[in-house]
Amino acid sequence: GAVVSQHPSWVICKSGTSVKIECRSLDFQATTMFWYRQFPKQSLMLMATSNEGSKATYEQGVEKDKFLINHASLTLSTLTVTSAHPEDSSFYICSASTGGPFFPQHFGDGTRLSIL
Amino acid sequence: AQKVTQAQTEISVVEKEDVTLDCVYETRDTTYYLFWYKQPPSGELVFLIRRNSFDEQNEISGRYSWNFQKSTSSFNFTITASQVVDSAVYFCALSGTQKLVFGQGTRLTINP
Repeated sequence: GAVVSQHPSWVICKSGTSVKIECRSLDFQATTMFWYRQFPKQSLMLMATSNEGSKATYEQGVEKDKFLINHASLTLSTLTVTSAHPEDSSFYICSASTGGPFFPQHFGDGTRLSIL
Repeated sequence: AQKVTQAQTEISVVEKEDVTLDCVYETRDTTYYLFWYKQPPSGELVFLIRRNSFDEQNEISGRYSWNFQKSTSSFNFTITASQVVDSAVYFCALSGTQKLVFGQGTRLTINP
């Protein structure tokens, strides 16, 4: 149980394009979804928290206009990297939870984004 | 502020050895949860355990065991009789009333 699917797993695109990453909870309803960014050999850094039907809460230093998050349903959240540039290249991981911070987060497999 | 420290950046052992991964945390919350996650080379994070701040009982799950000591703010993870498949990066994480905070991770390599 508690399966989270993230798609695509790998994407390469040209600088200036926008990339959408989907995160789906397959067998449970996720009231909260999280988006993380991980640089090589580093830890996960929370980018934003999203609750179904409301605006995402972004961490300090994360550009909300650059990283658009939509949490349209209890099973789907999307992260759109707008006008991506090489510095946006990273490993992006989503997670989903049935409750607040005390509940375990179940992670997707991650998306490796490479901007040329 | 919450903080998780995993002092061991990398550990390398030979298969069948026991290995302990250290985790020390800081928080002002009286109620909090501690987690361990495994990240194999493929990248996904695998949830291993959650422990709340009021439960200091140690836990054993097969070859895995966890030692929670509130007095030293530590939540260490031991793998007994390690196997090559245990090779991964292991993250300790803390969740209080705010977000989940991860340690820097310990890269564990089990050599055959």
